[in-house]
Amino acid sequence: EVQLVESGGGLVQPGGSLRLSCAASGFTFSNSGMTWVRQTPEKGLQWVSAISGSGTLTYYADSVKGRFTISRDNSRNTLYLQMNSLRAEDTAVYYCAIKFHDAFDTWGQGTVVTVSS
Amino acid sequence: DIQMTQSPSSLSASVGDRVTITCRASQNIGNYLNWYQQKAAKAPKLLIYAASSLQSGVPSRFSGSGTGTDFTLTISSLQPEDFATYYCQHSHSTPWTFGQGTKVEIK
Repeated sequence: EVQLVESGGGLVQPGGSLRLSCAASGFTFSNSGMTWVRQTPEKGLQWVSAISGSGTLTYYADSVKGRFTISRDNSRNTLYLQMNSLRAEDTAVYYCAIKFHDAFDTWGQGTVVTVSS
Repeated sequence: DIQMTQSPSSLSASVGDRVTITCRASQNIGNYLNWYQQKAAKAPKLLIYAASSLQSGVPSRFSGSGTGTDFTLTISSLQPEDFATYYCQHSHSTPWTFGQGTKVEIK
């Protein structure tokens, strides 16, 4: 069974950092592009970042470029999102998902990030 | 950035009804259009990719159509488990953006 499990969310002060992880199982992780998507009641679903299977290609939304870094460890079947210089507007549920057929094929259950003093 | 606009924002329907949701892109995206279903407190689930391809395991009452800028998601006979929020999303070029969602409620 394909499974994605996010972790690492929590409460952080503005300007702080968090690293999200997404543990993958049930598929060939190194062959799969991966992505992060976040969701808030106000802004809905927002694509955040994506990475190729090998990790050589990365993509970012303008709102996080220069602050967030996506990476992966194919030996550990794990995807990461390093989030620095966090702002209140980064508060959201963060999902990881498999990118397949140019769509977000399977999603994790999400992890909550709250940026507040 | 390509903007995705869904209509309606919400609708009320009865079990057995045919439901159609539309999605319009701000520019030509070919068939790079996907549809997702999200139930309360759950992650989105892919229903349709490439405008009209049914994701494995998704019931055949769901169908998608369209190309260019105008797309539709149709549920041929609404079932109790279909009450949810539906989102379109383009994958033409980054940033990949979503529509604002259409909430399907019980009449």
